[in-house]
Amino acid sequence: DAKTTQPPSMDCAEGRAANLPCNHSTISGNEYVYWYRQIHSQGPQYIIHGLKNNETNEMASLIITEDRKSSTLILPHATLRDTAVYYCIVRPATSGTYKYIFGTGTRLKVLA
Amino acid sequence: GAVVSQHPSRVICKSGTSVKIECRSLDFQATTMFWYRQFPKKSLMLMATSNEGSKATYEQGVEKDKFLINHASLTLSTLTVTSAHPEDSSFYICSASEGDTEAFFGQGTRLTVV
Repeated sequence: DAKTTQPPSMDCAEGRAANLPCNHSTISGNEYVYWYRQIHSQGPQYIIHGLKNNETNEMASLIITEDRKSSTLILPHATLRDTAVYYCIVRPATSGTYKYIFGTGTRLKVLA
Repeated sequence: GAVVSQHPSRVICKSGTSVKIECRSLDFQATTMFWYRQFPKKSLMLMATSNEGSKATYEQGVEKDKFLINHASLTLSTLTVTSAHPEDSSFYICSASEGDTEAFFGQGTRLTVV
């Protein structure tokens, strides 16, 4: 079973920041938080991952709470092309063979 | 990011026949590959994990004799759906990772069994 919970859906106005929350209250000390997104009828796309420090790349920022029980993915300026299902996954990064278990994700709709 | 290519993107086959889906890592060595299936409006369901040169590890409830997985090289894994039936119609997706790096996903294969 997935070890994360996410809201089923969210709307965001184009050009505004999209903040997608994820709860992972049972996360272990060696588990990272990964974010992927899936645009309709395509394979998931890697976005970002982190352990405890906040992370930023060209796609998004990841904010992890100090107790690591929750995190937020931030898309700073959402566009229509960001409409997708966003998945938050926790897993150890030190084992490449460890599974990626997908939960139900958050369906983000960016509105014009 | 790294590129994972899946082929074919769509396939239609007759009931009772077998179909093979290929998953290739184009610019890295895929030490681990994962195979998923996805039903409409549902999340991805992990079917099996394979490491290069080893037998795949199947998730509970996945028939290993029906879904044959081969990971014979560091750039190629195949999933063969044997004796396909209409209930096997689904979206199949592979992903690959090199060592401890994040996994990258193929574009998926939509299988329709008629």
